[in-house]
Amino acid sequence: DGGITQSPKYLFRKEGQNVTLSCEQNLNHDAMYWYRQDPGQGLRLIYYSQIVNDFQKGDIAEGYSVSREKKESFPLTVTSAQKNPTAFYLCASSPLPRNTEAFFGQGTRLTVV
Amino acid sequence: GENVEQHPSTLSVQEGDSAVIKCTYSDSASNYFPWYKQELGKGPQLIIDIRSNVGEKKDQRIAVTLNKTAKHFSLHITETQPEDSAVYFCADTMDTGRRALTFGSGTRLQVQP
Repeated sequence: DGGITQSPKYLFRKEGQNVTLSCEQNLNHDAMYWYRQDPGQGLRLIYYSQIVNDFQKGDIAEGYSVSREKKESFPLTVTSAQKNPTAFYLCASSPLPRNTEAFFGQGTRLTVV
Repeated sequence: GENVEQHPSTLSVQEGDSAVIKCTYSDSASNYFPWYKQELGKGPQLIIDIRSNVGEKKDQRIAVTLNKTAKHFSLHITETQPEDSAVYFCADTMDTGRRALTFGSGTRLQVQP
């Protein structure tokens, strides 16, 4: 089955610890994205990548880091510098160059205690 | 940066009635407008999309209209069913520059049986 996989589904971490969220796609899409969703709110862009070894900051990149070493993988690290990390994190991918459907993973719910 | 406003934030209809959700966007360069449906605890899924060279698109009970001059687009769901209950998001993007979706804040649709 082709798709986009996020793991784990639920993640708990202590305050001050870095944590890495996994995102893998087998759709052969060039572009990948990370969004953050807070309760009752829309999706806000954290980082995006349009090609391997290149990525760009989105609207709320502070306290996050990413890498794009392989086309199929785009992990997100939530660092201790992120002041309010508890949220639902969504990864997506889409083909380029023309905009078409972005496919989303099932999300990772991160809770920092 | 780009801004997408979505109204209403909540919408309750009786089964069989129609539902309309409206969005406005700010960047005249936007040319792709998807609508996503998100069920509780899951990632968003595309339900319909429209490009800027088209004014209206239908897919069974769902339709989207686009007014480029006024910079707004709307989702229309006819003959609503309880399984239509979910959160709906509008979004936009363009074929140049950032090429990442900017989302509205979402509409929680409740279809009463």
